[in-house]
Amino acid sequence: EVQLVESGGGLVKPGGSLRLSCAASGFTFSSYSMNWVRQAPGKGLEWVSSISSSSSYIYYADSVKGRFTISRDNAKNSLYLQMNSLRAEDTAVYYCARDEYYSSGWLYWGQGTLVTVSS
Amino acid sequence: QSVLTQPPSASGTPGQRVTISCSGSSSNIGSNYVYWYQQLPGTAPKLLIYRNNQRPSGVPDRFSGSKSGTSASLAISGLRSEDEADYYCAAWDDSLSGQVFGGGTKLTVL
Repeated sequence: EVQLVESGGGLVKPGGSLRLSCAASGFTFSSYSMNWVRQAPGKGLEWVSSISSSSSYIYYADSVKGRFTISRDNAKNSLYLQMNSLRAEDTAVYYCARDEYYSSGWLYWGQGTLVTVSS
Repeated sequence: QSVLTQPPSASGTPGQRVTISCSGSSSNIGSNYVYWYQQLPGTAPKLLIYRNNQRPSGVPDRFSGSKSGTSASLAISGLRSEDEADYYCAAWDDSLSGQVFGGGTKLTVL
């Protein structure tokens, strides 16, 4: 069974840092591109970042470029999001999602982890 | 302001057919696949439609997607109370080099 489990969320002050993790199981993690998507309270979905299976291709939303870093450790079946210089507007539930082959969408999602940026 | 434009709300009665529109541009919908996600309150999004009009296994054929030019739409026929949820369209944007989402449409089943 495919499972994605996010962790690392919490309360952090503006300007602070946080590292999110997404533990993958039930599939060959190293064969899939992965993504981070966030959702601010009461708001819609916002794509944050994507990384290819071998980390060769990495993309960021303009809103997080230069502050967030996506990475993965295929040996540990884990996806990460290092978030620096956090702002109040980064407050959201952060989801990781798996990119299916042949442009078949993001079928598997984690349950999300809440990041709250507040003083 | 989302790159893809959806109506904020839609509604219908049980058994009815409703459609949700998604408008974009040549750099996203016009040149890439469209995806639709359903999100029930307090849960992660669920993939409903991929590659414009394909349904993942397990998604009822009441849900269908279409695309024409720089617009797309999701149709739900035989509306049920359990269809009450938020619906999001998504596509890759070549200009932004990233995935873009619509602002979401809240579907109410009256």
